[in-house]
Amino acid sequence: DQQVKQNSPSLSVQEGRISILNCDYTNSMFDYFLWYKKYPAEGPTFLISISSIKDKNEDGRFTVFLNKSAKHLSLHIVPSQPGDSAVYFCAASTRLVQTGANNLFFGTGTRLTVIP
Amino acid sequence: ETGVTQSPTHLIKTRGQQVTLRCSSQSGHNTVSWYQQALGQGPQFIFQYYREEENGRGNFPPRFSGLQFPNYSSELNVNALELDDSALYLCASSSGQGTNTEAFFGQGTRLTVV
Repeated sequence: DQQVKQNSPSLSVQEGRISILNCDYTNSMFDYFLWYKKYPAEGPTFLISISSIKDKNEDGRFTVFLNKSAKHLSLHIVPSQPGDSAVYFCAASTRLVQTGANNLFFGTGTRLTVIP
Repeated sequence: ETGVTQSPTHLIKTRGQQVTLRCSSQSGHNTVSWYQQALGQGPQFIFQYYREEENGRGNFPPRFSGLQFPNYSSELNVNALELDDSALYLCASSSGQGTNTEAFFGQGTRLTVV
């Protein structure tokens, strides 16, 4: 049961243009959302996050948008650079009431290729 | 400030054997989570440790077990290895139980079961 979905396995964008990566989720209990970037042979690297009380968070070239009613979030990268080429994972978090544990549910990833 | 480090980076085991993977958490972090990432999939939560106690578990059988030590480093043990256990195992550390904080990942251990 995939609670976080990234329906586009790959995306190619020209350098300097905008990259838009999409993510959908099914669990309305998720209250925190994160994007991770992963290069080959490395672990995921945290990129940007957003709390469910916000609908937008911006950090430099990266902006995450959250649409709670649609259970959808997106990551915008402007302008895209060749170094952005990587696999991007969307993740969502819900706190287990009993223990306070805070595990992440990941999507399957989108491979972004930025063409010089 | 040191990051999250995992050892070994690669490992080959035979079906039925046992394996121990190790993780050193980032300085100042007291929570460690383990994830399994199968090929073409996103990481799947195995369990989390906070102050040496298991603090949440995903949908993994009991043959997946773990430990956290006083210095917050951690081990993942898998008994009776199966072929489907072949995956990248990721350790992530974070600070603050019960708070939404970013998890910082190690580079992973690639386990191959033959």
